[in-house]
Amino acid sequence: DTAVSQTPKYLVTQMGNDKSIKCEQNLGHDTMYWYKQDSKKFLKIMFSYNNKELIINETVPNRFSPKSPDKAHLNLHINSLELGDSAVYFCASSRERTGANVLTFGAGSRLTVL
Amino acid sequence: AQSVAQPEDQVNVAEGNPLTVKCTYSVSGNPYLFWYVQYPNRGLQFLLKYITGDNLVKGSYGFEAEFNKSQTSFHLKKPSALVSDSALYFCAVRAPSKAAGNKLTFGGGTRVLVKP
Repeated sequence: DTAVSQTPKYLVTQMGNDKSIKCEQNLGHDTMYWYKQDSKKFLKIMFSYNNKELIINETVPNRFSPKSPDKAHLNLHINSLELGDSAVYFCASSRERTGANVLTFGAGSRLTVL
Repeated sequence: AQSVAQPEDQVNVAEGNPLTVKCTYSVSGNPYLFWYVQYPNRGLQFLLKYITGDNLVKGSYGFEAEFNKSQTSFHLKKPSALVSDSALYFCAVRAPSKAAGNKLTFGGGTRVLVKP
């Protein structure tokens, strides 16, 4: 079983559309994250949830809205997609949010906005 | 604010030779330090971490890293590189205090190319 699974793996869409990426972890972890990896491979945190509570919200446009229905799921909804949103989005989870906790990453969702 | 620098965009090494990937960090307090590896079209995978204690940390696939507090460095090393080690390597740091937001900050990544 995949520990952190993301769907879809690839997403191609037009500017202005709204899209969602889903993430699920079966590790029993309390904390989940969304990271964005740009074309230069730079990795930047967007959001983090701990037991369904938002704990990290970086300077991300309001068009991005995370939702965590339970601690095993963290979805990312993006409104009014722009060209600059094209990137690979990684979901990750960890047992806790502090200290030496290791993140387990999903395989990524490649979003292409045309 | 905490930060991580990986000064080399790419490291080229011949198979069988030693591999070093450099990382320096800036953080308040004693850091938690990590190395992750990303193979093409895959998510990041954990390699090793430093919490406290012995400055030399051993991890997966024969990798090790040395914590140097005075130089604020955490270089990744492997005594004998394999072609299969070719990948993108990320160094990351987390501050120990909640005041820092417990964020894990990644460096920009270093691409390693091991040639046969």
